[in-house]
Amino acid sequence: NAGVTQTPKFRVLKTGQSMTLLCAQDMNHEYMYWYRQDPGMGLRLIHYSVGEGTTAKGEVPDGYNVSRLKKQNFLLGLESAAPSQTSVYFCASSASQPNYGYTFGSGTRLTVV
Amino acid sequence: KNQVEQSPQSLIILEGKNCTLQCNYTVSPFSNLRWYKQDTGRGPVSLTIMTFSENTKSNGRYTATLDADTKQSSLHITASQLSDSASYICVVKTTGTASKLTFGTGTRLQVTL
Repeated sequence: NAGVTQTPKFRVLKTGQSMTLLCAQDMNHEYMYWYRQDPGMGLRLIHYSVGEGTTAKGEVPDGYNVSRLKKQNFLLGLESAAPSQTSVYFCASSASQPNYGYTFGSGTRLTVV
Repeated sequence: KNQVEQSPQSLIILEGKNCTLQCNYTVSPFSNLRWYKQDTGRGPVSLTIMTFSENTKSNGRYTATLDADTKQSSLHITASQLSDSASYICVVKTTGTASKLTFGTGTRLQVTL
């Protein structure tokens, strides 16, 4: 029972390069989320999805795009990486019930130089 | 502005001792309050989730309290162990169609011999 799996775990990008972060969950959860965690700040929501084929913007969506073509996968894309996108990225999933907990992946540490 | 503030920022205690972490929030409308444990280099893991009507919830040596009137919560750790060394994050969820999580910045706990 893997839960939420994120790949890659680490990545270094040059400014202007693009990449896709992959998130997969095996719990049949409807909802999936992408967060970023920066020093001294709480986790901030980038984008989220309430079901296959749907996506929505969170608090800090600029510079990112997402897709959810399959229920179990949620992809986060950086079209043209900037140093301000250096962060740790976490994917999470949850069932649709309001008091259901979130299951987080182990994170992707991204450095943009 | 919806905020979640935690104190102290960091804490060092001896193994076997108890400690209490604090969380104050201004988030509304309130749905539930969550405590997460985040080990270094890992994603957050849920400890407790409390709704408006719950004022105490335990998970092993972890006991969370909630005072929805004063908008305060605490996490008490009993008989600390070295494995309790982690960041503890308080999170408040709002209700409604725009339901979202607001994360605190966490308390960094170090348990030493």
